[in-house]
Formats: sequence, C-alpha cells, structure tokens
Amino acid sequence: DTGVSQDPRHKITKRGQNVTFRCDPISEHNRLYWYRQTLGQGPEFLTYFQNEAQLEKSRLLSDRFSAERPKGSFSTLEIQRTEQGDSAMYLCASSLDQSHEQYFGPGTRLTVT
Amino acid sequence: EDQVTQSPEALRLQEGESSSLNCSYTVSGLRGLFWYRQDPGKGPEFLFTLYSAGEEKEKERLKATLTKKESFLHITAPKPEDSATYLCAVRGGATNKLIFGTGTLLAVQP
Repeated sequence: DTGVSQDPRHKITKRGQNVTFRCDPISEHNRLYWYRQTLGQGPEFLTYFQNEAQLEKSRLLSDRFSAERPKGSFSTLEIQRTEQGDSAMYLCASSLDQSHEQYFGPGTRLTVT
Repeated sequence: EDQVTQSPEALRLQEGESSSLNCSYTVSGLRGLFWYRQDPGKGPEFLFTLYSAGEEKEKERLKATLTKKESFLHITAPKPEDSATYLCAVRGGATNKLIFGTGTLLAVQP
C-alpha cells in the first residue's frame, strides 16, 4: 500500500537560504494539496492542484513561496529566502477527486536557524 | 468566514472511561466534515467523513455524529493506543481546501 510520501522528512536551513520539498501523491489521485502546521495548531491550507493546474492559493502563500506539479504527478514546494517564521511542518495531501477525503503524507519538518 | 472550534483542548481519561470530543463549525454550504487522528511528528490520519445532519459513522471504539452546528467524536472504552490529537476539519462553498480546528489532545492512561 503506497500512501502519500514526502521528502525530505526533516530539513534544517539557515535564514536566507532556499529550500525545496517534494511530495508524491497516491498514484491514482489527481488532486494534490499543500498545508502548513505549526505547534499546537491545525494544518493551514497553502495551495491546491488539479492535475498540473494550480487552482487555489492561500494569502499565506507569499511571493517567496512557489509550488509546481509539472506533469500532474509529484509536486514541489519551494521557499526562497527562508525566514525563522517559516519553521513549521509542511504537509502534502492527495484526493481522488474534489468530493473525496484527503490523505496526508508524513510531512517535512522545516527548521530555520 | 468559515471557522472550526474544538473542545476541550486537552482531555485525560482512564482506560475504559468513555467520553466525547466536540467540534463546532460555521461554514457556508457544508460539503463535508472530516475527523483525523494525528500522532506526534506524523501527518494526520483520516478517520471519518460526514456530509449531512443526522449522519453517524463508526470505527472500532470511535463514533462520529453530525448536527447542523457541531460534530461529536465519541470514544467508547478507550485504550492507551487511542492517545493522540484528534483534528476536525470542514470543507465548504466552492473551495476544495479544508479548514481545521486546533485539535483535542487525548491522553488515555492505563
């Protein structure tokens, strides 16, 4: 059973550096979502793809954040010029279609020093 | 604005002591209320989806119910392995994003 996978699981970076995370969704799922979760909070929506099209973006997604899903399969989330406030768990989820539940990956824990 | 409020923030139970977690919501055009379980350092694990008032779903010791304003997650005779954070989320209107509450941290002591 292959669920949603994310890489890396942990990333420590210095302020000002760029980081990129990868998400591989469940194979037959064409919807892919990115969320961010800080300690003691629920996940917050960042962006959503249907196949390769990015259809929704949160106002949380500043100009330093960019997400892609070039072939409608895996997705990448890049953060440029990282800030300490970017430290969080970045979660990826996928769903079969818009009416179905979202399945989450294990997350990438980002620490900005 | 769509909003989800969960209570209590934390709950400590003895093994076998049944209880309920609450999720109150305001959303324009509910298109699903979701319960997830999250263990420390891991991603949320899907439990249930409820779509309309009066709907109920069960899985092992867990039962989720839905009214027009809130949902309850009932835990019957919990075991220590049920210890986790339980998250509630809603999807509404034309969006596909989930709006999450802050969760209830459940600790079940043997």
